[in-house]
Amino acid sequence: GDSVTQMEGPVTLSEEAFLTINCTYTATGYPSLFWYVQYPGEGLQLLLKATKADDKGSNKGFEATYRKETTSFHLEKGSVQVSDSAVYFCALSGLNTDKLIFGTGTRLQVFP
Amino acid sequence: DAGVTQSPTHLIKTRGQQVTLRCSPKSGHDTVSWYQQALGQGPQFIFQYYEEEERQRGNFPDRFSGHQFPNYSSELNVNALLLGDSALYLCASSLAAAGGNQPQHFGDGTRLSIL
Repeated sequence: GDSVTQMEGPVTLSEEAFLTINCTYTATGYPSLFWYVQYPGEGLQLLLKATKADDKGSNKGFEATYRKETTSFHLEKGSVQVSDSAVYFCALSGLNTDKLIFGTGTRLQVFP
Repeated sequence: DAGVTQSPTHLIKTRGQQVTLRCSPKSGHDTVSWYQQALGQGPQFIFQYYEEEERQRGNFPDRFSGHQFPNYSSELNVNALLLGDSALYLCASSLAAAGGNQPQHFGDGTRLSIL
């Protein structure tokens, strides 16, 4: 079945460092891909999405590119802030469904 | 514009009891999905409701059931609670007419603890 694999955390960075969180997927056909963020004590917020190969999703300085050839959707940010500390989830939804399949999440900790 | 609201925020039950969790979707949305998020894990899809019927279901036992009302709000019921049911239960809403693969909007969840 469809699945998502994320790098394990925590990822610990200093403020203004470059961030990469790896995400790869297994799916039939061409899924839509998402990154969600979860701040402590809160639900999930959509960070960005991409619906077809080579699409780049971006929001709040974060970016991710849908790479069909490597089945990847890595999250990047050029300069992280303390306020970016949260858990990040990579997810996919298959054709004609909005049911989401999530990875296990990656905790990001940013220190001043 | 009200987002997805869930109640209660926290709940403590004992093994064998039954629980009902509630969700109001984001204004304008007509589809509600429920997810279970165990500690340190990603959310797992339980089921989805549209037009007051269960449209899709994940790999959860029949102890988990739901309902959707004409105003699109939804309930999740869990019977015969087990210790392993302790988790954050998330409700998400979307608009069916927008087509598949639409982003879902999540509530802040209900934290269920089983003693």
